[in-house]
Amino acid sequence: EIVLTQSPGTLSLSPGDRATLSCRASQSVNYRYVAWYQQKPGQTPRLLIYGASSRATGVPDRFSGSGSGTDFTLTITTLEPEDFAVYYCQQYDSSPTFGQGTRLDIK
Amino acid sequence: QVQLLQSGAEVRKPGSSVKVSCKASGDSFSSYSISWVRQAPGQGLEWMGGIVPVFGVADYARKFQDRVVISADKSTTTTYMELRSLRSEDTAFYYCARGGVRGEANIWFDPWGQGTLVTVSA
Repeated sequence: EIVLTQSPGTLSLSPGDRATLSCRASQSVNYRYVAWYQQKPGQTPRLLIYGASSRATGVPDRFSGSGSGTDFTLTITTLEPEDFAVYYCQQYDSSPTFGQGTRLDIK
Repeated sequence: QVQLLQSGAEVRKPGSSVKVSCKASGDSFSSYSISWVRQAPGQGLEWMGGIVPVFGVADYARKFQDRVVISADKSTTTTYMELRSLRSEDTAFYYCARGGVRGEANIWFDPWGQGTLVTVSA
């Protein structure tokens, strides 16, 4: 099983800031088979990124994904108030697994 | 646009079973996988298993493979997840989610059902 470790656990930033969220895999993820999700309180997860860097339909271009091998990153270039949420990475190179999440809080 | 509609909240006693349904609207039901992901209160996401209805064979996470059965009824475009030998730690929201690519079980998930809260309590 591929274990995903996200860091930091909590990130406190202000609207307008740039956010960088990390996801590290316990072994190499082939073909960049990593997705990112956003989850707000009381809501279901929303797909943001798949294939490490492809934005899902309707996702604003301030969200971008990058990385390969064992290290992947989700970047939000200019935080909007609605971006404060919990973010999860997921790998699907083998049986799917999720990271434990990064909480993005308003500072 | 496909939508996934899950059955309502359930309360069960420890040692019993629960079966949650997920009905898909829209076309191409059989070609896309449906996975089940659970989330305990205040915790992260955990993949339990999935099925591609046209293939009819489910794949399970090692942690759940002895207690969960995932099935699909193509005639009603409904997928089911049954969890047995329930314990208090199984209290969680259970989500169904469709795979992003035809025929692929190990894939990203979009869209998701609204979630079903299963509470296990004596």
